[in-house]
Amino acid sequence: GAVVSQHPSRVICKSGTSVKIECRSLDFQATTMFWYRQFPKKSLMLMATSNEGSKATYEQGVEKDKFLINHASLTLSTLTVTSAHPEDSSFYICSARDTNNYGYTFGSGTRLTVV
Amino acid sequence: RKEVEQDPGPFNVPEGATVAFNCTYSNSASQSFFWYRQDCRKEPKLLMSVYSSGNEDGRFTAQLNRASQYISLLIRDSKLSDSATYLCGCITGFQKLVFGTGTRLLVSP
Repeated sequence: GAVVSQHPSRVICKSGTSVKIECRSLDFQATTMFWYRQFPKKSLMLMATSNEGSKATYEQGVEKDKFLINHASLTLSTLTVTSAHPEDSSFYICSARDTNNYGYTFGSGTRLTVV
Repeated sequence: RKEVEQDPGPFNVPEGATVAFNCTYSNSASQSFFWYRQDCRKEPKLLMSVYSSGNEDGRFTAQLNRASQYISLLIRDSKLSDSATYLCGCITGFQKLVFGTGTRLLVSP
């Protein structure tokens, strides 16, 4: 079945630094990938839609300059949390949409802790 | 109004019980619907897609009511291993998959 690899699985960083999270589709092409954030005991909130070769589309209330998304190839999207603050601590999950069968597969998530 | 709404629960049921969850969606143009299962601190895993005619997979039955804009999931003969959070997902315009808050299920011996 389709596999999406997300790295790192866990990261602790200092306030003010930037963190890059990678989402890679291993055995299929994904022109579209999605980035979600989930706070403890809360729902998965869609942050942005990442489109290969074009700018990402951000959901209302999500700062595009803070959460930089790059989708440079059909198998890789990256999310960079810039100038991270403790309130950015959360579980970030990506999802890739298979271009051929339109299925959505999730990465295993990245638990970010900003101290 | 949220695009997808669910009762967060928790639903506490004994083993062997039948339990049902509902989910409502606000966008009548939503195209596809899913139930995902999420275990604590893990990513969501697809449980089943929801088809207009209703569909069953073992102990799980999903139904879609487009007129009332709700989706349901029925779990029969609950197992301890069914304890998890069940997320209702809808594909809206622009092919975005959005979720409800999730419904937490606790199955006890």
